[in-house]
Amino acid sequence: AQSVTQLGSHVSVSEGALVLLRCNYSSSVPPYLFWYVQYPNQGLQLLLKYTSAATLVKGINGFEAEFKKSETSFHLTKPSAHMSDAAEYFCAVSGGSGGSNYKLTFGKGTLLTVNP
Amino acid sequence: EAQVTQNPRYLITVTGKKLTVTCSQNMNHEYMSWYRQDPGLGLRQIYYSMNVEVTDKGDVPEGYKVSRKEKRNFPLILESPSPNQTSLYFCASRAGQGFYNEQFFGPGTRLTVL
Repeated sequence: AQSVTQLGSHVSVSEGALVLLRCNYSSSVPPYLFWYVQYPNQGLQLLLKYTSAATLVKGINGFEAEFKKSETSFHLTKPSAHMSDAAEYFCAVSGGSGGSNYKLTFGKGTLLTVNP
Repeated sequence: EAQVTQNPRYLITVTGKKLTVTCSQNMNHEYMSWYRQDPGLGLRQIYYSMNVEVTDKGDVPEGYKVSRKEKRNFPLILESPSPNQTSLYFCASRAGQGFYNEQFFGPGTRLTVL
């Protein structure tokens, strides 16, 4: 079965510092990959998605992610953190080998804290 | 405004008392799904529906029922809630059959079963 691993349940950065949130998937066949963000007391919002068109994907709010097949990774980055980026971030996958095109499998989430 | 709505947003109930959480979307989406979110476990799919009258189990369907009689509505039914169903529930919808399309999430329903 398809799975997603997010390294680090909690990441803390200073305002202005680089944000790096890690995500690895388990499929040998490239799946569809997504990053969602959840602000406190809200639902999930799509940040960006990879659907095989380009390996470097740009999303909203200055975030981007790079698909690396050799590393089975889809890490999320932002060059300069802002206080408003504090939220929980989820990596999700569908399709690929062992996966389904009819469901999203989520990682356990990474809580991002931004310190002033 | 395109949105997914859920009601109620907060619910405290007692073991065994049947309840329904409603979900409605105004985007004419074919696909709808229910997830539960628990600390340290991320989101896990309960049930999904590919279209009207077509539903299927997700990863954690035990203790839940769903129905899809209309395209816009996808209620989640707990016929005999138990404390282990205390959780944050999200409804989601997306267009089409493939998962390359964005999934839109509702605001969540926080359920406590005493």
